[in-house]
Amino acid sequence: EVQLVESGGGLVQPGGSLRLSCAASGFTFSSYWMNWVRQAPGKGLEWVANIKEDGSEKFHLDSVKGRFTISRDNAKNSLYLQMNSLRADDTAVYYCARVGPTVNVFYYWGQGTLVTVSS
Amino acid sequence: EIVLTQSPATLSLSPGERATLSCRASQSVRTYLAWYQQKPGQAPRLLIYDASNRASGIPARFSGSGSGTDFTLTISSLEPEDFAVYYCQQRSNWPLTFGGGTKVEIK
Repeated sequence: EVQLVESGGGLVQPGGSLRLSCAASGFTFSSYWMNWVRQAPGKGLEWVANIKEDGSEKFHLDSVKGRFTISRDNAKNSLYLQMNSLRADDTAVYYCARVGPTVNVFYYWGQGTLVTVSS
Repeated sequence: EIVLTQSPATLSLSPGERATLSCRASQSVRTYLAWYQQKPGQAPRLLIYDASNRASGIPARFSGSGSGTDFTLTISSLEPEDFAVYYCQQRSNWPLTFGGGTKVEIK
């Protein structure tokens, strides 16, 4: 059974940093692109970033470029999102999502971790 | 960026009725459109990919159609567990984008 478990969310002040983690199990982690998708409270879904199977390619939403960095450790079956210079509008539930077999379709989702940016 | 506009924002129906949800793209996404269902406090669940293909385990009452800029998700006969928010998502262009959602509520 595919499982994705996010952690690392919490309350942080504007300008602060957080590192989110996603522990994957039940599939060959190194064979799939992985994504972060977020959802602000009461709002819709927004794709944030994704990373190729071997980590050699990464894409980020324009509004987070230069502030957020996606990474992965295939030996640990883990996905990460380093978030710096956080702003109030980054407040959201952050989901880890696996694609495939169809490219850029989100077949599996974690339960999400809440990031709140507030003073 | 491709903007996906979903309508209506809210659909009030009774169990057993047919639900028709619309998703319109600001430019052609060919058939690279997916639909997701989200219930309160839960992660989204994939229903349909590439406009008309049901994901594994999705009941046959869910169907998708369309191409280019106009897409439809149809739920042939609403079950109690189908009352939720539905999102469309395109994978034709970067960045990947989602529609604003349609809430299907009990009338």
